[in-house]
Amino acid sequence: DTGVSQDPRHKITKRGQNVTFRCDPISEHNRLYWYRQTLGQGPEFLTYFQNEAQLEKSRLLSDRFSAERPKGSFSTLEIQRTEQGDSAMYLCASSETGVATNEKLFFGSGTQLSVL
Amino acid sequence: AQKVTQAQTEISVVEKEDVTLDCVYETRDTTYYLFWYKQPPSGELVFLIRRNSFDEQNEISGRYSWNFQKSTSSFNFTITASQVVDSAVYFCALSEEETSGSRLTFGEGTQLTVNP
Repeated sequence: DTGVSQDPRHKITKRGQNVTFRCDPISEHNRLYWYRQTLGQGPEFLTYFQNEAQLEKSRLLSDRFSAERPKGSFSTLEIQRTEQGDSAMYLCASSETGVATNEKLFFGSGTQLSVL
Repeated sequence: AQKVTQAQTEISVVEKEDVTLDCVYETRDTTYYLFWYKQPPSGELVFLIRRNSFDEQNEISGRYSWNFQKSTSSFNFTITASQVVDSAVYFCALSEEETSGSRLTFGEGTQLTVNP
């Protein structure tokens, strides 16, 4: 499978616990994005990386959220002290930079987080 | 700030009918990119089309066609002779200049149901 891979597919946690999600992008893609999608809504941008550098963060990304991409390959998104409002689908996407700009994104299947 | 509006929350058609999904966008940039993505029940967003703001030619790909009109800030999507497999949520999205990476602003989506 050469697509974007996310793990786990589902996560159920209790309020106040920390959770971590992983994303493996398409191997030759140097840009990686995290989005959040709540039921009945479109995905909302959280943050993106170019290689290992985190270049932009949305105001949606409170200080309880942290994302890393240490070697410019896979990425992790951690949520500390989860709240019920964090329940959502967390989507990862990747793209390549090249001659064309604003390239299409390739999305993973997401991690569905439920905070009880 | 950019904004994408998909006024149709849900559309239900019978197989073989044509259906048009509306998308209206707002941006202050003169250079921008418009996208359509399909999200089937499996959850993974699938890229359908990318169009830049300087190319107003309509595009046809099989049963799919797109009508881009800058004068009305619209980028509508038509499925001809719809099929049950077209049932999904469809998202229109906007990306501004390259300086924003490929960060997408999504509309709220249109749930299309094609009944046999």
